[in-house]
Amino acid sequence: GAVVSQHPSRVICKSGTSVKIECRSLDFQATTMFWYRQFPKQSLMLMATSNEGSKATYEQGVEKDKFLINHASLTLSTLTVTSAHPEDSSFYICSAELPLAGVGETQYFGPGTRLLVL
Amino acid sequence: AQSVTQLDSQVPVFEEAPVELRCNYSSSVSVYLFWYVQYPNQGLQLLLKYLSGSTLVKGINGFEAEFNKSQTSFHLRKPSVHISDTAEYFCAVTTPHGSSNTGKLIFGQGTTLQVKP
Repeated sequence: GAVVSQHPSRVICKSGTSVKIECRSLDFQATTMFWYRQFPKQSLMLMATSNEGSKATYEQGVEKDKFLINHASLTLSTLTVTSAHPEDSSFYICSAELPLAGVGETQYFGPGTRLLVL
Repeated sequence: AQSVTQLDSQVPVFEEAPVELRCNYSSSVSVYLFWYVQYPNQGLQLLLKYLSGSTLVKGINGFEAEFNKSQTSFHLRKPSVHISDTAEYFCAVTTPHGSSNTGKLIFGQGTTLQVKP
């Protein structure tokens, strides 16, 4: 249980185009999903918190107009990188939160999406 | 605010030897603690977690960790490692919903475990 998928796994695009990345919780409903960015040999950097049915909460320094997040259902959140540039090339990872009543919450991670902007 | 420090960036070890990956955290409130493993070009896989109860937590692949509140540590251990354990390991902390973190995970810098034959 607690499986999270991402699509696509890899994407190469031209500078100036937009790219959409999907994050799905396959066997549970996730009110909250998170989007991270990871540079080579570094830790994960939280970009934003995505809540179903409401606007995403962005971390300081993350451009909300460039990284559009939509959490339209309890199993799907999307991240759209608009007008992508080479500096947006990175590994993007999503996670979905599985709440356990009375115990605590745990995040389960997707396999990641490698974005290369030429 | 919470923070996590993984004291070792790289840990080389021979196959079948024991290993300990160190993690210390800082927080003024109660915390949940996690260890995740990341294989090359993949997402993070949950190894184990401490939410409450017994301070010795057993996870997948033979790993275990012990929550030590007085030392604010959550070190990861395995008695005998395999080549397949070579990966990046991340310690993370969060606080229960209702606090300022609202579920955000704070990650350590990561430790590369290199298992040699």
